[in-house]
Amino acid sequence: DQQVKQNSPSLSVQEGRISILNCDYTNSMFDYFLWYKKYPAEGPTFLISISSIKDKNEDGRFTVFLNKSAKHLSLHIVPSQPGDSAVYFCAASGGGSEKLVFGKGTKLTVNP
Amino acid sequence: DTGVSQNPRHKITKRGQNVTFRCDPISEHNRLYWYRQTLGQGPEFLTYFQNEAQLEKSRLLSDRFSAERPKGSFSTLEIQRTEQGDSAMYLCASSSGDSNQPQHFGDGTRLSIL
Repeated sequence: DQQVKQNSPSLSVQEGRISILNCDYTNSMFDYFLWYKKYPAEGPTFLISISSIKDKNEDGRFTVFLNKSAKHLSLHIVPSQPGDSAVYFCAASGGGSEKLVFGKGTKLTVNP
Repeated sequence: DTGVSQNPRHKITKRGQNVTFRCDPISEHNRLYWYRQTLGQGPEFLTYFQNEAQLEKSRLLSDRFSAERPKGSFSTLEIQRTEQGDSAMYLCASSSGDSNQPQHFGDGTRLSIL
């Protein structure tokens, strides 16, 4: 069973517009959520995180929103830049475990 | 470079051989994690150390897999009698001991089994 789901394998947006990446989870024990960006042949790079006691966290162009009742989080990138083109992974942890559970990723393409 | 370092970057071996990978975490981090990633999937957790103690292991970590972190610094992951299905990217990550701190990943070791 997949506890973290990213239902959109790919997303394409124009430079300067907003990119919205979505993630759903099923395990109510998860209390810490993260987004990672991955370029080919590199490891995942940490972008932004949010604890379950918050519903929003912002860092520059990146904002993560958490809706606990819907078990849903999203990553907003504004404005999108061509360098943001990468695969984005949603991850979660909690329930006394330190392991991260990842989604399958969404490939973002930002067109100039 | 103070990031997570993994060696080698690539490993090609014949089925049945043993392989060992090394991970050097960020120096002040006492937590170290191993993950495996296959094509089209997100990273999957294998095991986790706090200092030298191995505190959590996934059921993915079969008897052929063993991980060590003898002095609480670098870690090794060994796969014995490799199989075709072991072909994957093996990722190492580290984090500080504080709660809700992100894990920082290395660039991985890509294992190809011939």
